[in-house]
Amino acid sequence: EPEVTQTPSHQVTQMGQEVILRCVPISNHLYFYWYRQILGQKVEFLVSFYNNEISEKSEIFDDQFSVERPDGSNFTLKIRSTKLEDSAMYFCASSRLAGDTDTQYFGPGTRLTVL
Amino acid sequence: QKEVEQDPGPLSVPEGAIVSLNCTYSNSAFQYFMWYRQYSRKGPELLMYTYSSGNKEDGRFTAQVDKSSKYISLFIRDSQPSDSATYLCAFRYNQGGKLIFGQGTELSVKP
Repeated sequence: EPEVTQTPSHQVTQMGQEVILRCVPISNHLYFYWYRQILGQKVEFLVSFYNNEISEKSEIFDDQFSVERPDGSNFTLKIRSTKLEDSAMYFCASSRLAGDTDTQYFGPGTRLTVL
Repeated sequence: QKEVEQDPGPLSVPEGAIVSLNCTYSNSAFQYFMWYRQYSRKGPELLMYTYSSGNKEDGRFTAQVDKSSKYISLFIRDSQPSDSATYLCAFRYNQGGKLIFGQGTELSVKP
């Protein structure tokens, strides 16, 4: 069964450093998402992406965040200058459509630790 | 008032018990209602998806939506130790794809 994959599984970085989290969505999916989950808190939406542009973003997704689909398979989330509060699990998700009955499939997540 | 409220538990039940998990919501614009299961250190996995009031059954799982009361439930019959996980309710508007999640309820099913 096709699945969303994410790399790395765990990323440790120093505060102020740039990180890139990578995702390979399911191959025939067209809509891509990033969510994050701070330890002990709820899963929160960051951004959705369709047709090579951001379709929606949350208040969390400020100027230090960016997303890109650099080729036909990868979908990346870049954090330009990491802060301690960026430590969280980051989940990529994809869906075939954003229509009424379609669903989002989640990857296993990347645990980001900012020191 | 919070947009979504879900009791975080933890909830511990014996194997074979019927489990009832619940969420309330305040935003009447939500049209699509989902339950995800999340095992420790894994991504959320979709269990049930409904878009109308009423019940939907899939094997041992039943999802119930009451739009008038803004209340959704997930029932698990004949619970198994493998059902031990965190259960997340999630909501979508009728336009747009983002999911709004509840806090999650941690369930433990004891053999």
